Amino acid sequence: EAGVAQSPRYKIIEKRQSVAFWCNPISGHATLYWYQQILGQGPKLLIQFQNNGVVDDSQLPKDRFSAERLKGVDSTLKIQPAKLEDSAVYLCASSFRTNFQETQYFGPGTRLLVL
Amino acid sequence: AQRVTQPEKLLSVFKGAPVELKCNYSYSGSPELFWYVQYSRQRLQLLLRHISRESIKGFTADLNKGETSFHLKKPFAQEEDSAMYYCALTGGATNKLIFGTGTLLAVQP
Repeated sequence: EAGVAQSPRYKIIEKRQSVAFWCNPISGHATLYWYQQILGQGPKLLIQFQNNGVVDDSQLPKDRFSAERLKGVDSTLKIQPAKLEDSAVYLCASSFRTNFQETQYFGPGTRLLVL
Repeated sequence: AQRVTQPEKLLSVFKGAPVELKCNYSYSGSPELFWYVQYSRQRLQLLLRHISRESIKGFTADLNKGETSFHLKKPFAQEEDSAMYYCALTGGATNKLIFGTGTLLAVQP
């Protein structure tokens, strides 16, 4: 089956500019996650969707970050305006639950550099 | 607080040597523990989970609730095991993953 798709793969912007990332999950996966991975750290959850509803956005910096999954399939994550500390890899993951187990499948990530 | 600690940033071993990647966790409840792996130029992928009690690519991990540890072990390292390894846990209703900082395993020929 096709994996989680993300675009763009790389993005370089200047601080105070805006940027958007796109994610297409595996077909049939109801749950979609956005993670931020800063260099030298593990991924940190930003937001979790179940279909088109938000389950957890407690660690999303809502003054500058926004995300949507309008039709319950693909999703976009936006940063406006970007700061230097937003430089990171942004990972999208999707999952489904079977037999009381849930497995998250990750996309290749978008590497963002803010200058 | 929920936390996953991987004390080693880098672990370098020779081919054929035993490997142990350490992972300790802090969680108030009964978490599910995982090991994820990222090979060079590949995406992050699940290696194994404690519930399955399985061996994947020769790796095993035992959950020790008394020591709150979930160390990853392999008796004989291979060069193709070189990768970044992340320990992670989930718990609660949302199933969000909480990751450690990762350990880079380098297997020398």
